[in-house]
Amino acid sequence: GAVVSQHPSRVICKSGTSVKIECRSLDFQATTMFWYRQFPKQSLMLMATSNEGSKATYEQGVEKDKFLINHASLTLSTLTVTSAHPEDSSFYICSARDLRGINEQFFGPGTRLTVL
Amino acid sequence: SQKIEQNSEALNIQEGKTATLTCNYTNYSPAYLQWYRQDPGRGPVFLLLIRENEKEKRKERLKVTFDTTLKQSLFHITASQPADSATYLCALEGTGNQFYFGTGTSLTVIP
Repeated sequence: GAVVSQHPSRVICKSGTSVKIECRSLDFQATTMFWYRQFPKQSLMLMATSNEGSKATYEQGVEKDKFLINHASLTLSTLTVTSAHPEDSSFYICSARDLRGINEQFFGPGTRLTVL
Repeated sequence: SQKIEQNSEALNIQEGKTATLTCNYTNYSPAYLQWYRQDPGRGPVFLLLIRENEKEKRKERLKVTFDTTLKQSLFHITASQPADSATYLCALEGTGNQFYFGTGTSLTVIP
């Protein structure tokens, strides 16, 4: 199947700093990528849909100025958590759809963010 | 509002038995439904997709059913093994090309 990578896998930062997370589709082009957040023992919550060459679509309740998404190319989307606070600590996962397939999503390995 | 609920948070079964997981949804009219497996600290992995006009889909020891009248999907793992222990998630597509996930069921297969 298709491969999606994420970087970094873990990050620890101080409160007030910004953190950038990269999501790459390694062997296919993805016009659409998705960003999820997952708290311990909970399901994935969709944050936003990242569209190549246009603005991201955010889910209700997700602050677009807080979580900046840039989909600069067909293989790269980035999520920047700006002015991070301890409540932003979570597991962030991206996914991409390979439209050559059957509409399944391929997920990255996730990024564990801890804000001190 | 739209909801996707999975039967129980945790399910424990004996090795060799069949595990049955449930996914119920409201206020969706999905063309298809997907099941994923997630191991701790990792991203989900796609398992199966079933379309609205398909009653049942099989893949090795996995079987999925889809009842659009009941708004329910059942996910079965036959001859379960300890390696099947994981969290299983169902997912439905929204109106804007995005997916929404169910609450998840943590399955533990006891040797």
